[in-house]
Amino acid sequence: QLQLQESGPGLVEPSETLSLTCTVSGAYVSSKSYFWGWIRQSPGKGLEWIGTVCYSESTHYNPSLETRVTISVDTSKNQFSLRLSSVTAADMAIYYCARADSGAAGGYFNHWGQGVLVTVS
Amino acid sequence: DIRMTQSPSTLSASVGDRVTVTCRASQSIGGWLAWYQQIPGKAPKLLIYQTSILESGVPPRFSGSGSGTDFSLTISSLRPQDVAVYYCQQYSTYSLLTFGGGTKVEL
Repeated sequence: QLQLQESGPGLVEPSETLSLTCTVSGAYVSSKSYFWGWIRQSPGKGLEWIGTVCYSESTHYNPSLETRVTISVDTSKNQFSLRLSSVTAADMAIYYCARADSGAAGGYFNHWGQGVLVTVS
Repeated sequence: DIRMTQSPSTLSASVGDRVTVTCRASQSIGGWLAWYQQIPGKAPKLLIYQTSILESGVPPRFSGSGSGTDFSLTISSLRPQDVAVYYCQQYSTYSLLTFGGGTKVEL
């Protein structure tokens, strides 16, 4: 059974770097069948795609965050990670990790972690 | 980038009502559209992908339709457990995924 679990500091100071990890069980982050993504949700707001990474470590980022975001994969730990630099209060949100099927018909997220709240203060 | 606009932002209905949420893309996305349900305090859950294909385990009262730029999610007979926020998401290109702003369905 696939499970994704986010972890990381719940509190980050302004101007610092937010770092989160998603630990995957029930699938391999090295699989060519999937890609892995981060999505966030500010309090009371909608969903915002942050970026995705696939097995080859090819990444795609939301242009609005691209200069501050890095997503990477650690196949030895079956994890993928998010780093967001120079955070401000606007980056306070619930951060979700999720999995999508790759391939011509993929791109929707069919498995999500429970989310982790990150406060910037 | 492709913008996704959902309407209405809030929808009030009664148990048993037929409910429709719409999603419009700023440019054609073919049929590459998904719908998610988010119950308060929970992670989003995939309901429908590729416009109209129900994810495994999703009740058949949910359905999706549309193509190009205009899409809809319909709940044929609203249940209390369907109270949630519904989001559309386009995936016509992996390099730029976007969500709609959400539609809150309330009783």
